[in-house]
Amino acid sequence: QVQLVESGGGVVQPGGSLRLSCAASGFTFSSYGMHWVRQAPGKGLEWVAFIRYDGSNKYYADSVKGRFTISRDNSKNTLYLQMNSLRAEDTAVYYCAKRGGAGTTAPWGQGTLVTVSS
Amino acid sequence: EIVMTQSPATLSVSPGERATLSCRASQSVSSNLAWYQQKPGQAPRLLIYGASTRATGIPARFSGSGSGTEFTLTISSLQSEDFAVYYCQQYNNWPPKLTFGGGTKVEIK
Repeated sequence: QVQLVESGGGVVQPGGSLRLSCAASGFTFSSYGMHWVRQAPGKGLEWVAFIRYDGSNKYYADSVKGRFTISRDNSKNTLYLQMNSLRAEDTAVYYCAKRGGAGTTAPWGQGTLVTVSS
Repeated sequence: EIVMTQSPATLSVSPGERATLSCRASQSVSSNLAWYQQKPGQAPRLLIYGASTRATGIPARFSGSGSGTEFTLTISSLQSEDFAVYYCQQYNNWPPKLTFGGGTKVEIK
């Protein structure tokens, strides 16, 4: 079955950087686009970024454009999110999710918590 | 930017009763709408896509309807495992943008 396991979260100071990883298994990772979606504590869901199966196209939410970079290593079945210039409002659980049909996301990993605080 | 508005924010329902959740888009999204369920401490799960098609393994008590700007998720007879937060999500202007609604919490009455 599909399994997505995020890692790399933690506490970082404002202005700092962090790289998240998402290890995928149970499907042909190199054939699917992948998303990052985040959820601030006690809040709703916010789509963050998407990368096509081959890395040829990447899309970002306006709130992270220019600061975050999505990438993938198909040889390692791993998705990444490089987060720079972090702000307090970036504090959230970050989920990776496999591209479902059209613009849907399914399934999701269990998430990794990023806390931006001094 | 398409804004998705869900109502009510909280819905109190007794087990076995019907729950009706609403989602409104600020402009037409055709039938490019999905519903997700999130239980406490868990990741969201896709329930419905294309406004009315159940995802694999989703029980028939979940149904979606609507098109354009007005959508509804109906849970015909609430089970204990259905108490959760439900989010709608539009993908009409995908790529490059996906937008979620603010969520409706279905709680036990």
